[in-house]
Amino acid sequence: AQSVTQPDIHITVSEGASLELRCNYSYGATPYLFWYVQSPGQGLQLLLKYFSGDTLVQGIKGFEAEFKRSQSSFNLRKPSVHWSDAAEYFCAVGASNTDKLIFGTGTRLQVFP
Amino acid sequence: SAVISQKPSRDICQRGTSLTIQCQVDSQVTMMFWYRQQPGQSLTLIATANQGSEATYESGFVIDKFPISRPNLTFSTLTVSNMSPEDSSIYLCSVDGGSGGPGELFFGEGSRLTVL
Repeated sequence: AQSVTQPDIHITVSEGASLELRCNYSYGATPYLFWYVQSPGQGLQLLLKYFSGDTLVQGIKGFEAEFKRSQSSFNLRKPSVHWSDAAEYFCAVGASNTDKLIFGTGTRLQVFP
Repeated sequence: SAVISQKPSRDICQRGTSLTIQCQVDSQVTMMFWYRQQPGQSLTLIATANQGSEATYESGFVIDKFPISRPNLTFSTLTVSNMSPEDSSIYLCSVDGGSGGPGELFFGEGSRLTVL
C-alpha cells in the first residue's frame, strides 16, 4: 500500500541550529515527492519537490531535501533555522500522471530563541 | 500561482446540521480538490471537482455526505451534511499549480469546523 511516514510528531530546535525532518515512503512506482509547510492559520505552501534527476533538491526559504531510493526516504533539511520556520511540515508522495497526493501526518516544528 | 479564498474560515455547528464551504480562486483552473485534515492526522483527499461534471470521490467519502458543486472554473463548494462530532476537521480547498507539474498544489487557508 502507498503510504508516507513522518516519524517525528514534534521537534523543537533552537534558532540558528540545523534541522532535519524525516520522511519515509512506500510507493510502488517511481514516486514524485514533495514537502509542504503549513504556518499557523494558513494553507499549505509547497517548499520543494523531487521528480527526477539530481537527488538533492533545493527549495524556498533555504530548505533542501535529499531523495534516497535505497532508504525510501526524502528528508528535509535546513542548515540554520529561523524563528519564522515554526510551522507544521508535511511530506507527500504522488505519481507522474495525477495531482492526487498521499500526505504524511506532519511534523510540528517549534523554534526557541 | 493561484490565490484561494475559503469561507467560512471557521464555524461551530450543531450535530445534525449541514454547512457549505465556499472556495474561490483568482484564476481559472480545471481541477479543484477538497481535503480533510482531522486533528493529529494527515490530509486526506475527499474528492476532485471538475467543472461541468460530477465530482470524483475517494474511497470512504460519498456524495450524500459531502456534496460538491463546481459551477464554473473559479468556484466550488463542499457541503458537509448531517454533521456529527467526527466531522470536526479543517477542510481545505486546493488547485493544481498549472505549469509546475503534477502534485504542485495551491491551498486555501482552510475552514475549521467544530461540531458540537
